[in-house]
Amino acid sequence: NAGVTQTPKFRILKIGQSMTLQCAQDMNHNYMYWYRQDPGMGLKLIYYSVGAGITDKGEVPNGYNVSRSTTEDFPLRLELAAPSQTSVYFCASSRGGDGSGYTFGSGTRLTVV
Amino acid sequence: AQSVAQPEDQVNVAEGNPLTVKCTYSVSGNPYLFWYVQYPNRGLQFLLKYITGDNLVKGSYGFEAEFNKSQTSFHLKKPSALVSDSALYFCAVRDQLKGGGNKLTFGTGTQLKVEL
Repeated sequence: NAGVTQTPKFRILKIGQSMTLQCAQDMNHNYMYWYRQDPGMGLKLIYYSVGAGITDKGEVPNGYNVSRSTTEDFPLRLELAAPSQTSVYFCASSRGGDGSGYTFGSGTRLTVV
Repeated sequence: AQSVAQPEDQVNVAEGNPLTVKCTYSVSGNPYLFWYVQYPNRGLQFLLKYITGDNLVKGSYGFEAEFNKSQTSFHLKKPSALVSDSALYFCAVRDQLKGGGNKLTFGTGTQLKVEL
């Protein structure tokens, strides 16, 4: 049982480049989330999805896009990378929305130079 | 919107001593509160939650948390700290998503360092 798998683990991007952060879960969870973690700032919600085909913006969506074509996958797309997007990105999933069933991936550390 | 605050960036404690990591909350209605732990280069792991009932909640790895409504606090505690407890701890509160359903809103985190 892999849980939530994120790839890549590390990436360095140049300003203006684009990339997709992959997230997959094998628990048949309906809810999936993308958070970014910045030092001293906690985790901020970027986008979320309550099921296949349904996505919505979180607190800090600018510069990102998502899709949810299947229950398992929830990729996060960065277009025109900027230094402000240097962060650690976490994908999480949960069956329902009560918070305790969050399973987190191990994170992607992204540096934009 | 619901929020939580963690007033300490770092807590240092000697192994074997009791530890407390503080969290206060601001919510409308009844709070659903959580503690998560993050070890280096790992994702967050669930420790415990308070939804209703007993004010003392027991969780994983010997941790417990005390819900105090009058002080709007939800402090994490452990009677005897271990070096292996050294990690980043996040308090969180359940908040509503505008499109329906819920999400977690996290505090800024407290780094716990347990020394020999």
